Amino acid sequence: QITLKESGPTLVKPTQTLTLTCTFSGFSISTTGVGVGWIRQPPGKALEWLAVIYWDDDERYSPPLKSRLTITKDTSKNQVVLTMTNMDPVDTATYYCARRRGSTSWPFDYWGQGTLVTVSS
Amino acid sequence: DIQLTQSPSSLSAYVGDRVTITCRASQSISDYLNWYQQKPGKAPNLLIHAASSLQSGVPSRFSGSGSGTDFTLTISSLQPEDSATYYCQQSYIALSFGGGTKVEI
Repeated sequence: QITLKESGPTLVKPTQTLTLTCTFSGFSISTTGVGVGWIRQPPGKALEWLAVIYWDDDERYSPPLKSRLTITKDTSKNQVVLTMTNMDPVDTATYYCARRRGSTSWPFDYWGQGTLVTVSS
Repeated sequence: DIQLTQSPSSLSAYVGDRVTITCRASQSISDYLNWYQQKPGKAPNLLIHAASSLQSGVPSRFSGSGSGTDFTLTISSLQPEDSATYYCQQSYIALSFGGGTKVEI
């Protein structure tokens, strides 16, 4: 059974750095063709892709946010960590992590429940 | 960047209706297109991958078609549990999501 779960602060202040951890089970990120990504959703708005990391250590970032994001993985702990610097109230959103499967269109086939992060002073 | 435009942004239909949602890409993305269903307060759920392949466990009333720039998600016979927001997502260049289509019963 594949599960993913996000953890991290629920409230951060403007200009602070956000660190979110995705802890997963039921698969290994060292398996060829596997990736774990982060997607966010501001309240009442659409999904927005942030970053993804792959079994071969390849990292990809959303171009508009690239300068603020870092994604890393700890294979032994089954964790993927996302850091986002210089947080702003517009970054208030539910943050999801999801597994990316290596097939034609590389879908996100399993998702975590999401964690709401509020940016406010 | 590849932009995905979904239409309509919302629709209302009756149980049993055939419903079609359109996703248009700003440039050709071959069949690198996925569809997700999201219910309020829940994470998205993968319905269709590679434009037309049904994800395991998804009811057969859902189907996808298209290639290049124009794609459709069809619900052949709308059910009450299909009330949700549907998103398309491309993975041809980077990743991006459409703006969503809210389906009300």
